[in-house]
Amino acid sequence: QKEVEQNSGPLSVPEGAIASLNCTYSDRGSQSFFWYRQYSGKSPELIMFIYSNGDKEDGRFTAQLNKASQYVSLLIRDSQPSDSATYLCAVNKPSFGSSGGSYIPTFGRGTSLIVHP
Amino acid sequence: GAGVSQTPSNKVTEKGKYVELRCDPISGHTALYWYRQSLGQGPEFLIYFQGTGAADDSGLPNDRFFAVRPEGSVSTLKIQRTERGDSAVYLCASSYRGRETQYFGPGTRLLVL
Repeated sequence: QKEVEQNSGPLSVPEGAIASLNCTYSDRGSQSFFWYRQYSGKSPELIMFIYSNGDKEDGRFTAQLNKASQYVSLLIRDSQPSDSATYLCAVNKPSFGSSGGSYIPTFGRGTSLIVHP
Repeated sequence: GAGVSQTPSNKVTEKGKYVELRCDPISGHTALYWYRQSLGQGPEFLIYFQGTGAADDSGLPNDRFFAVRPEGSVSTLKIQRTERGDSAVYLCASSYRGRETQYFGPGTRLLVL
């Protein structure tokens, strides 16, 4: 089992719809959870992060975390064609050998989202 | 600088050659990370620096890979005896204390022929 699993997609939604992106993780010791957006040929950029169970909203984006089910999701409301990209889920685990409490993210393979006009 | 910079943006080399990839993090960021991303995959962690020291190098695939950060800012990823399987985008990211948000550079696209 991979540490962080995402459906590679593509997920295709019409403009204005809600896009729902899902991610599961295997390590119950994971502390924090991140969603990155990556346009083709570009580097990842952070959309939002979540630490606690429940929902966290930021504009059109909502992250949902359920630690008991080891599940994190990203909802994009009023999807726009400019949202078309690959969405990467990343899960932070305590860094091996670090005494400073730092964390290393493990990324999923990403889900390709296509928003069509 | 305004963001993380990486040089070169593209590197083509021949199998067996040595390459160096450079990362210049955001000023003041103590934590620096190297990742490798293959087509259709997420970034794969290679090594993490806190200051000048490698705090976690568990992601380096073998002893052909080595990285340094001698003054706690710029880092160089070194790959010896390159193999075709090393072809990928090498990403660098930095963060303020290692717990916070990571900011990625544009990456170096390495092609080993």
